[in-house]
Amino acid sequence: NAGVTQTPKFQVLKTGQSMTLQCAQDMNHEYMSWYRQDPGMGLRLIHYSVGAGITDQGEVPNGYNVSRSTTEDFPLRLLSAAPSQTSVYFCASSYNPGYEQYFGPGTRLTVT
Amino acid sequence: TQLLEQSPQFLSIQEGENLTVYCNSSSVFSSLQWYRQEPGEGPVLLVTVVTGGEVKKLKRLTFQFGDARKDSSLHITAAQTGDTGLYLCAGDGGTSYGKLTFGQGTILTVHP
Repeated sequence: NAGVTQTPKFQVLKTGQSMTLQCAQDMNHEYMSWYRQDPGMGLRLIHYSVGAGITDQGEVPNGYNVSRSTTEDFPLRLLSAAPSQTSVYFCASSYNPGYEQYFGPGTRLTVT
Repeated sequence: TQLLEQSPQFLSIQEGENLTVYCNSSSVFSSLQWYRQEPGEGPVLLVTVVTGGEVKKLKRLTFQFGDARKDSSLHITAAQTGDTGLYLCAGDGGTSYGKLTFGQGTILTVHP
């Protein structure tokens, strides 16, 4: 029972590089979201999706893109990495925001 | 933007002591969730409270949702070393569909 999977687990980028963080879920959840977690700041919502083909911005969307072509997958793209994007990134899925969020194991990203 | 203020940010206690973590906002939430997160892992749901004034108990943990649905508390009785972790509250804004707002978190350390 995979739940929510994220790859990679660790990544180091140089400033200006781009990359995609992968997220997949096998629970047929319509709602998926991306958060970043920084010390003392809890989890901040980057982007979310309420279903395939539908995405919207969260609290801190600048510098990130998302798409949702299938129910299962919700990749997060960093267009041009900056040191301020050094963080731990979590993907989550659920039936809707008011229901239990199932989180992936996280991706620790360092931008130098 | 809906904000959730959690306090205290850090809590260091001895095994057997009681503690309370608070989650406060000026906004009304449709529901409020409490999560626990261990190092290197994603948050895991402890409980969801939905009704104003609601009290839920989970063994030694007691969760309360304020009458006005703007605040919540988590009380732990006779803390154990296994309770150590990061505790997060998260509010579902209802009218801001899709945007689950997290508090900054409380890092709890229980010493033997």
